[in-house]
Amino acid sequence: DTAVSQTPKYLVTQMGNDKSIKCEQNLGHDTMYWYKQDSKKFLKIMFSYNNKELIINETVPNRFSPKSPDKAHLNLHINSLELGDSAVYFCASSPTRDAPAFEQFFGPGTRLTVL
Amino acid sequence: GQNIDQPTEMTATEGAIVQINCTYQTSGFNGLFWYQQHAGEAPTFLSYNVLDGLEEKGRFSSFLSRSKGYSYLLLKELQMKDSASYLCAVMDSNYQLIWGAGTKLIIKP
Repeated sequence: DTAVSQTPKYLVTQMGNDKSIKCEQNLGHDTMYWYKQDSKKFLKIMFSYNNKELIINETVPNRFSPKSPDKAHLNLHINSLELGDSAVYFCASSPTRDAPAFEQFFGPGTRLTVL
Repeated sequence: GQNIDQPTEMTATEGAIVQINCTYQTSGFNGLFWYQQHAGEAPTFLSYNVLDGLEEKGRFSSFLSRSKGYSYLLLKELQMKDSASYLCAVMDSNYQLIWGAGTKLIIKP
């Protein structure tokens, strides 16, 4: 049973295109996240949703738009892709936002390459 | 600003012990996490410390000193499968995880 799943696992596309990455969790968690991990391996939070509502929106270009149709799904749409968007994007979930002892469960990641 | 520092890379021998250090400066503190990340895979949870002291879990232990802004992850009886990156992350006052860049641990036979 996959706890947090992402599709696709690999995404290769041209500059200027629009693409989406889908994420689903079957853990019944309230909170979901999108992270970007660049070539230097820093994990940077991009967005966090709690029960379908946006609670964290870091300084991310507005070309990136998250969408949460229900609390089990958090999709990431990227417009006008740029070379600097190449990275691994991880989706994660946790039971709740305000109980820090809860670990975050990560999806397998989506490796995005912009040519 | 918020900052998490850990060594970029460490090398150790199979069967030995290694200690990976992490220092942090964050806006508030709601606990410190250690995650393991094998190459090409997702991070997986190892430990959580919110009070000072040592938490032991099998071959892995994690220590925290809040007054010093310092933690370490101790790995005993190293195995080849322990070769991975180890990520230190601190939850700040907004319940947001601030991540270090990770320490790449190389295990040699």
